[in-house]
Amino acid sequence: KAGVTQTPRYLIKTRGQQVTLSCSPISGHRSVSWYQQTPGQGLQFLFEYFSETQRNKGNFPGRFSGRQFSNSRSEMNVSTLELGDSALYLCASSLTGRDNGNEKLFFGSGTQLSVL
Amino acid sequence: GQQVMQIPQYQHVQEGEDFTTYCNSSTTLSNIQWYKQRPGGHPVFLIQLVKSGEVKKQKRLTFQFGEAKKNSSLHITATQTTDVGTYFCAGAAGTALIFGKGTTLSVSS
Repeated sequence: KAGVTQTPRYLIKTRGQQVTLSCSPISGHRSVSWYQQTPGQGLQFLFEYFSETQRNKGNFPGRFSGRQFSNSRSEMNVSTLELGDSALYLCASSLTGRDNGNEKLFFGSGTQLSVL
Repeated sequence: GQQVMQIPQYQHVQEGEDFTTYCNSSTTLSNIQWYKQRPGGHPVFLIQLVKSGEVKKQKRLTFQFGEAKKNSSLHITATQTTDVGTYFCAGAAGTALIFGKGTTLSVSS
C-alpha cells in the first residue's frame, strides 16, 4: 500500500506570491491533517479535514486555507506569502480521525517551502 | 487552547547512556501518542498510551502515562546511534493531534 504522498517536495517562492501544496492520503484513509514544522517550534497544527469538511483548525491566519476532495486528496493554499512562512509543511492521514485522537497518523515526506 | 510541553528541547548523550524525555499537558488527555522523526525524515508513530498509569515497552524504549493522564515520559536505555532523532509526544484535542515541540537526541559513539 502506498504511503502518504506530498507534492512538490521543494518550492521556492517570493514574498507576496501564493502557493498550493498537494497531499494524497493512504488509500482508504479519509482524514487528512496539515502541520507546519519550523526549527524550534515543532509541529504546529494547521487544520484537519474529513469527508471534504474542515473539522478542526489551528491558530493560523486566514492566509492559510485548505480543502479536501471527494477522493480524500487534500490541498492547502497560502496566499500573500511572508518570509516567516518558510517551513516544512507536513500532511498526515488516518482512517477516520476519530475525535478521541485514538488513531495514529501517517505522515508524508513534506513540502519544503522557502520564501525569499 | 490545549498545550503540550516537552523537556528537554535538546539532549546529547554518549552511546550507552540512558535518555529520558518528558511531556506535560495543560489538560487531561484521553490518550497520548509518541512519534520519532529521524534527521531529514518525517514523524513516524511509535506508540499510543491510553490507560492511567500505563507502562509499555518496546525493546530499549519504555513509555509511561501518568496517573492523572496529564504527563508522559519516554525512556531509552543504553542509547545507540540509531536512536538519533527528534521525539514528539502528542495529545488529542478533538479531531486534532497537538504535538509538543519535541526533544532532539544526539548520540556520540
